[in-house]
Amino acid sequence: AQTVTQSQPEMSVQEAETVTLSCTYDTSESNYYLFWYKQPPSRQMILVIRQEAYKQQNATENRFSVNFQKAAKSFSLKISDSQLGDTAMYFCAFMKPSKNAGNMLTFGGGTRLMVKP
Amino acid sequence: DSGVTQTPKHLITATGQRVTLRCSPRSGDLSVYWYQQSLDQGLQFLIHYYNGEERAKGNILERFSAQQFPDLHSELNLSSLELGDSALYFCASSGPGQGNEKLFFGSGTQLSVL
Repeated sequence: AQTVTQSQPEMSVQEAETVTLSCTYDTSESNYYLFWYKQPPSRQMILVIRQEAYKQQNATENRFSVNFQKAAKSFSLKISDSQLGDTAMYFCAFMKPSKNAGNMLTFGGGTRLMVKP
Repeated sequence: DSGVTQTPKHLITATGQRVTLRCSPRSGDLSVYWYQQSLDQGLQFLIHYYNGEERAKGNILERFSAQQFPDLHSELNLSSLELGDSALYFCASSGPGQGNEKLFFGSGTQLSVL
């Protein structure tokens, strides 16, 4: 079974600065996806960024980028130019794609990020 | 707006009761996933349906059951409720084709068992 670990329960950052959230995972699979989801106070789960394990290039989405280290099984999220609206819980998630069994997500415990004005 | 609709948004009930949570997936999506988010267990996968058929089960209690109907909406039934069942229950959907690794989540149903 896969496990996902987020070692930082809480973090804070000043507005406009950069912050990095850590995530490690454990799997014996070679083909998989990794995700970061954001859960603001509204509790909606919002997909932030996605990384395919077979792609060496790190994914980027505007101010969000990842540092994917496959050998180290590490998948960190960098948020640049932090904004107040980035205040949320951030969940790292692992998915082993399966045609028959579906695409289940295994989530980490989450990191609560507070962006301070 | 993810396009996934969950009702009701909030549900308050008593121990021993039975409730039904409803989910309508995004238009065209065939897969529906149910997740439970609680303070002590975090986010846990419960069950997956694809086009009406159960495809995978996670940490779902025997008191819980689900189904997906021909119109692709899904219902999660929770019975003999206990205080520990209080949680936020999410439904997510994904499509059948390329890019179906992206799950789109509804806004959840907050269940409070008193």
